[in-house]
Formats: sequence, C-alpha cells, structure tokens
Amino acid sequence: DAGVTQSPTHLIKTRGQQVTLRCSPKSGHDTVSWYQQALGQGPQFIFQYYEEEERQRGNFPDRFSGHQFPNYSSELNVNALLLGDSALYLCASRPGLAGVTGELFFGEGSRLTVL
Amino acid sequence: GENVEQHPSTLSVQEGDSAVIKCTYSDSASNYFPWYKQELGKRPQLIIDIRSNVGEKKDQRIAVTLNKTAKHFSLHITETQPEDSAVYFCAASKGGGSTLGRLYFGRGTQLTVWP
Repeated sequence: DAGVTQSPTHLIKTRGQQVTLRCSPKSGHDTVSWYQQALGQGPQFIFQYYEEEERQRGNFPDRFSGHQFPNYSSELNVNALLLGDSALYLCASRPGLAGVTGELFFGEGSRLTVL
Repeated sequence: GENVEQHPSTLSVQEGDSAVIKCTYSDSASNYFPWYKQELGKRPQLIIDIRSNVGEKKDQRIAVTLNKTAKHFSLHITETQPEDSAVYFCAASKGGGSTLGRLYFGRGTQLTVWP
C-alpha cells in the first residue's frame, strides 16, 4: 500500500505566481483534506473534499482553491502567491464512513518556498 | 471555532524517564482527540487517539488521558527511548458522519530524549 502520495515534494515560486499541488489518497480512502504547516507550527486546516465537493473550509482566503477527481485524488491551487504562503502543505486522507471519527493518514507533504 | 493549547513547547528528558505533554481545548462538542508524532522532515503519524466516551487509553509505553469536565487531555510516554525524540502534536475534532470533522492542532512539543 503506497499510502498518501504527494507531488511535487519541493518547489520554489516567486510572489504573484500560481502553484498546483497534487495528492493521491491511501487506497480505500475517499475523503481528502489539505493542511498548511508553517515552520514550527501545527498543521492548519485548509479544506476537505468528499464526493468531489468541498465539504468544510478553514480560515483561508479564496486564493486557495481545490478540486477532487472521480478517482478521489485531489489538487490544491494557490493563486497570487505571497511570502507568507511558504510552508509545508500536507494532504491527508481517511475513509468517509458514517460515524467514524478515525485516523487521518498524512502524506510527506509538498514544501513550498515563495521568494 | 475550536482552540487547542499545548504545553510545554519543548521537553528534554533522560532515557528511561517519563514524559508528559498536556493539551486543553475550548469546544465542549469536540469528541475525538488524536496525538501525532512528526519526525524531522517526515509526515505526522498517529500514535494514539481517544474518544470522548473513554477516560484513558493505553498502548504499550504510551497512554492518553481525557478530562471532559476540565477540557484537557494528556499524553504520557513511559520508559522513554532516544527514538521517541520528535515533535508531538495533539489535536481535537468534533467529527462524525461522512463529512468528517476537521482536526484542530496544537502548536507541538519538541521532545528530546538524551541517552
């Protein structure tokens, strides 16, 4: 089982550019969440996708958008990059079973640096 | 929204000693409390979790306690080993159903175990 896979692992962008990060969930999982982890901080929830729809959203501006595909993989897009967007972006998946408040499986993350 | 506070931010112990990390949460509706371990450059990995209908849970050298009245929960690691050195995050969630709750993370505790 490959677990949660993310790409790219590292990338460097300049202010004002746009970035797309990709995530494939763990086999059997259909719910994908994205988190931003700034250096020395805990992960902060960006949004969650289930059945190709955004189900919950954290306190992030509209510059952050996402998508989930029929195969459950997901993309995170960030437009008009700011220096403060530099962080580790973590994708996490879980099975979206009713009544389950279960384990989130995280990927290794995509390290974004904005110059 | 939920607010999770975690203490201490750093913790150094001698190998074989015990380590305790404490967290408080603000939303009494939270019902799921996982702990994640994140080694340098690695993904966060679940080490133990507890649900609100349980006061204590143990898994070998790791235990978690929950006090719903006081809204705090703690991680206890006994007989610490150098490989326990990592950043530990507590989290809280009020999930359930197919649109599972987001995780609110604490800021993390850097645990260092000296041989």
